[in-house]
Amino acid sequence: KNEVEQSPQNLTAQEGEFITINCSYSVGISALHWLQQHPGGGIVSLFMLSSGKKKHGRLIATINIQEKHSSLHITASHPRDSAVYICAVGPRGGSQGNLIFGKGTKLSVKP
Amino acid sequence: EADIYQTPRYLVIGTGKKITLECSQTMGHDKMYWYQQDPGMELHLIHYSYGVNSTEKGDLSSESTVSRIRTEHFPLTLESARPSHTSQYLCASSPWGEVNSPLHFGNGTRLTVT
Repeated sequence: KNEVEQSPQNLTAQEGEFITINCSYSVGISALHWLQQHPGGGIVSLFMLSSGKKKHGRLIATINIQEKHSSLHITASHPRDSAVYICAVGPRGGSQGNLIFGKGTKLSVKP
Repeated sequence: EADIYQTPRYLVIGTGKKITLECSQTMGHDKMYWYQQDPGMELHLIHYSYGVNSTEKGDLSSESTVSRIRTEHFPLTLESARPSHTSQYLCASSPWGEVNSPLHFGNGTRLTVT
């Protein structure tokens, strides 16, 4: 069992829908990252959080440290949001960059 | 706009060839990383560097080697490519000082060894 589990693995939505992607992890962490990977392969860092909630535009990330769970929400989804969303955790005491990655959630937003 | 650059984007090469994947960043970051990602799978750290003349192996064993002679440059070399090296290789960097600062990724190099 992977130490970082994401659900769902694949998600198809209609434009305008509210989307939630979940991430559960089993190790103590110092921070959790949400990343976006486009079909070309490049990765963009969306959020890094260790508590509470962060918002950037239509994206919201929340984390519950006690429950070892994080969610990424996309409001008013758009076809340009289509990408793979990856959850990664930095283990407590680990070196920076030595993240544990989930396998990603492939999101497709239809017009 | 990318501040971290990887070349080539795609590479198809025969078994036994020596290859070098280039990674450069213009942000002055001390920390740089190489990740390997097989199709549909998670990323794994294969090498990292905390500054010039510093290189370490990551959790995933790799036959590749790296060097860090200049802050901005972190090339990865395979002395003799094999089909098992077929994968995507992603380079990333982050500034020194913040334990959990966000990573900046390049666009990746998709390597196919025939």
